[in-house]
Amino acid sequence: NAGVTQTPKFQVLKTGQSMTLQCAQDMNHEYMSWYRQDPGMGLRLIHYSVGAGITDQGEVPNGYNVSRSTTEDFPLRLLSAAPSQTSVYFCASSYAASGGPDTQYFGPGTRLTVL
Amino acid sequence: GENVEQHPSTLSVQEGDSAVIKCTYSDSASNYFPWYKQELGKGPQLIIDIRSNVGEKKDQRIAVTLNKTAKHFSLHITETQPEDSAVYFCAAADFGNEKLTFGTGTRLTIIP
Repeated sequence: NAGVTQTPKFQVLKTGQSMTLQCAQDMNHEYMSWYRQDPGMGLRLIHYSVGAGITDQGEVPNGYNVSRSTTEDFPLRLLSAAPSQTSVYFCASSYAASGGPDTQYFGPGTRLTVL
Repeated sequence: GENVEQHPSTLSVQEGDSAVIKCTYSDSASNYFPWYKQELGKGPQLIIDIRSNVGEKKDQRIAVTLNKTAKHFSLHITETQPEDSAVYFCAAADFGNEKLTFGTGTRLTIIP
């Protein structure tokens, strides 16, 4: 099992550019999510998905789009990058059994800089 | 929505001593409280979690306590070692909801 993988590891964008951060998991997890991590602010939820074809907004969704066409993949799209989106982005997944919240497994992160 | 506060933001302890990190939450519906450890350049990793039907849980040198009445929970690390140096995050979620709300993190430094 590779677990949760993210690409790229590092990215530099210019203001206004668009890009897609890739996330994949091979654990057959239903729940997947994207967080951003900024100094002193912990991890904040951007978007999440409870299964293929189902997505919803988290705490800080503006400027980001997601889709979930397969169980394995959950890409995050930046539509028009802004300096405020400079951050480290983490993807996570969990089994989401009916018994309640379960362990979330995090990817290694993507460090994004927007100039 | 849920709000999780975490203290302290930084903590330095001598190797072999104990470390305690505290979190409070606002939503009384929350009943799942995990703790994550993040090493430099890596993603967070679950180290221990507790559900609201228990007051304490231990795993070797790590323990978590939960006080639902006061809405706070704590992480205790005993006999600290250099490899315990990392950033620790608490989080909260309610039953049937995978969405986690995280605290702002504690940077723990173990002094040799």
